[in-house]
Amino acid sequence: NAGVMQNPRHLVRRRGQEARLRCSPMKGHSHVYWYRQLPEEGLKFMVYLQKENIIDESGMPKERFSAEFPKEGPSILRIQQVVRGDSAAYFCASSPSQGGTDTQYFGPGTRLTVL
Amino acid sequence: QKEVEQDPGTLSVPEGAIVSLNCTYSNSAFQYFMWYRQYSRKGPELLMYTYSSGNKEDGRFTAQVDKSSKYISLFIRDSQPSDSATYLCAMSSTSGGTSYGKLTFGQGTILTVHP
Repeated sequence: NAGVMQNPRHLVRRRGQEARLRCSPMKGHSHVYWYRQLPEEGLKFMVYLQKENIIDESGMPKERFSAEFPKEGPSILRIQQVVRGDSAAYFCASSPSQGGTDTQYFGPGTRLTVL
Repeated sequence: QKEVEQDPGTLSVPEGAIVSLNCTYSNSAFQYFMWYRQYSRKGPELLMYTYSSGNKEDGRFTAQVDKSSKYISLFIRDSQPSDSATYLCAMSSTSGGTSYGKLTFGQGTILTVHP
């Protein structure tokens, strides 16, 4: 029973490049959440998606960041024109239904380094 | 003021000690309370999940919630070196707008249990 999978586990980009982070939820889970963990800071919510829908993007930076969860395939977090301040660990979590009543299970994270 | 404050920030105890970790929160809409454990460079792992005030016990772990005081605690009995990790409290709400489902985390407590 595979858990939440994220890839790549480590990603190095130069300033101005694009970063694409992928998340495959646990089997049977249709709700996906992305969180960011900056050095010396706690986990911060970014976006909550269901299949083909963005439910809550209140934690997403207004520019350069986007997320999707298509009908088929993994959820994608895209960061365009990366800057050094984007260096962080990005975690994906999934739940079988709305996270308020069902717990969220986290993946191992993608560690993004921007040179 | 942060929505969730966690203390202590770091804690070092001898093996066998009782560990007490605490979080206070300001948002009275929070109804679900979780404790996650995160080992270095790994994703958070769910330890305890509680709803409403009261106690919940699971092996050496006890979670307490006092909604009237907006205060939650995690106790670890007979602590072991393998318990050394970062412990994160997290909360969510099912009321209001599109915010339900997302988790709000404390800053984390770095626990070291030395033999």
